[in-house]
Amino acid sequence: GEEVAQTPKHLVRGEGQKAKLYCAPIKGHSYVFWYQQVLKNEFKFLISFQNENVFDETGMPKERFSAKCLPNSPCSLEIQATKLEDSAVYFCASSPNWGVNYGYTFGSGTRLTVV
Amino acid sequence: KQEVTQIPAALSVPEGENLVLNCSFTDSAIYNLQWFRQDPGKGLTSLLLIQSSQREQTSGRLNASLDKSSGRSTLYIAASQPGDSATYLCAASGNAGGTSYGKLTFGQGTILTVHP
Repeated sequence: GEEVAQTPKHLVRGEGQKAKLYCAPIKGHSYVFWYQQVLKNEFKFLISFQNENVFDETGMPKERFSAKCLPNSPCSLEIQATKLEDSAVYFCASSPNWGVNYGYTFGSGTRLTVV
Repeated sequence: KQEVTQIPAALSVPEGENLVLNCSFTDSAIYNLQWFRQDPGKGLTSLLLIQSSQREQTSGRLNASLDKSSGRSTLYIAASQPGDSATYLCAASGNAGGTSYGKLTFGQGTILTVHP
């Protein structure tokens, strides 16, 4: 399809529980990104993939966050032992070529609320 | 490290006005600059993409310009309408010669309100 599909749209977790978010990039897009949007429109880069390989994970809180993009499966972002500060909207984006010619297409996001 | 700044933070105008949103970036090593629109509680809608070799792009009432040498981009909205009310974000895509390769760096956004 021509859209980046993110599921679920909303996710509520108690503090300490696990959260798993999914992203299906546009078919043919080899580059996938995850961003976290917190208050006041601040977008924080988390991780990028080139096909199933991690390209840049400098934004990931490594102790609790992990992500995968496996062939023929949606990409996933998993948070172990969620904290209140993880409450945010998580966006996935994809591009055919690092956004050089076509930019990035974003999904509609997953709103994670940790209570 | 790339930093992107948007001015103003918020803008309220009457319907019909032409307006300019500003975006500045510190690292000129970019592939392109992309303008997005975000409605409350929604995702990002891409408005315009300007390649680093281009000076401007136009789509309907929207025109975006890029001046890499000065690290600036502007989004011009002509004849604004209440339906244009949203948050407008600019994002710079880092190229291999810069410090943000493969990433989008976002500005904080301009919250636009167009009242009838």
